[in-house]
Amino acid sequence: NAGVMQNPRHLVRRRGQEARLRCSPMKGHSHVYWYRQLPEEGLKFMVYLQKENIIDESGMPKERFSAEFPKEGPSILRIQQVVRGDSAAYFCASSPRTKIPGELFFGEGSRLTVL
Amino acid sequence: DAKTTQPPSMDCAEGRAANLPCNHSTISGNEYVYWYRQIHSQGPQYIIHGLKNNETNEMASLIITEDRKSSTLILPHATLRDTAVYYCIVDSGNTPLVFGKGTRLSVIA
Repeated sequence: NAGVMQNPRHLVRRRGQEARLRCSPMKGHSHVYWYRQLPEEGLKFMVYLQKENIIDESGMPKERFSAEFPKEGPSILRIQQVVRGDSAAYFCASSPRTKIPGELFFGEGSRLTVL
Repeated sequence: DAKTTQPPSMDCAEGRAANLPCNHSTISGNEYVYWYRQIHSQGPQYIIHGLKNNETNEMASLIITEDRKSSTLILPHATLRDTAVYYCIVDSGNTPLVFGKGTRLSVIA
């Protein structure tokens, strides 16, 4: 059973470009969470999605950021018109949310560098 | 904001038990205590969780005080590979997990 897969692992963008980060949850998991970790800081929750629905986006910046988790395919975190402050590691986690709702399985992260 | 307080850093000699404390004095009756760790640059890893009873698995033991206001994660025989940031989180399962600053554990040879 493969773990949570994130790609790309590393992404370099110039200011103003778009970044798309993909996350394939573990098999059988229908809940996906995105977290951001700025350099030398802790993990900050961004958004929680269940198949085709956004459940909680209280941690998402109001502009330029969007997320989706379509019926088929991976979850996508999209950052439009990137700025240097978007440089961070973006972690995706999945959960079946059955017996242990707080047991999340994290991917290895996507590291975005904005030049 | 995180509902837990942890020391920023700790050292432990290799082969000895690492005891990581966590205060959660405002914990509610329906909130669990979760522990995660993040080894440098990797994704966080779930370790263990508990409600009020002590718990043990292949990775660690979790000791929760009777009043549930604090807990201790125990790594019985720390190795160099246990060097990581350890996060103590309280959560009811109704909201996404909130990670605080954690404790940076350094296992020393």
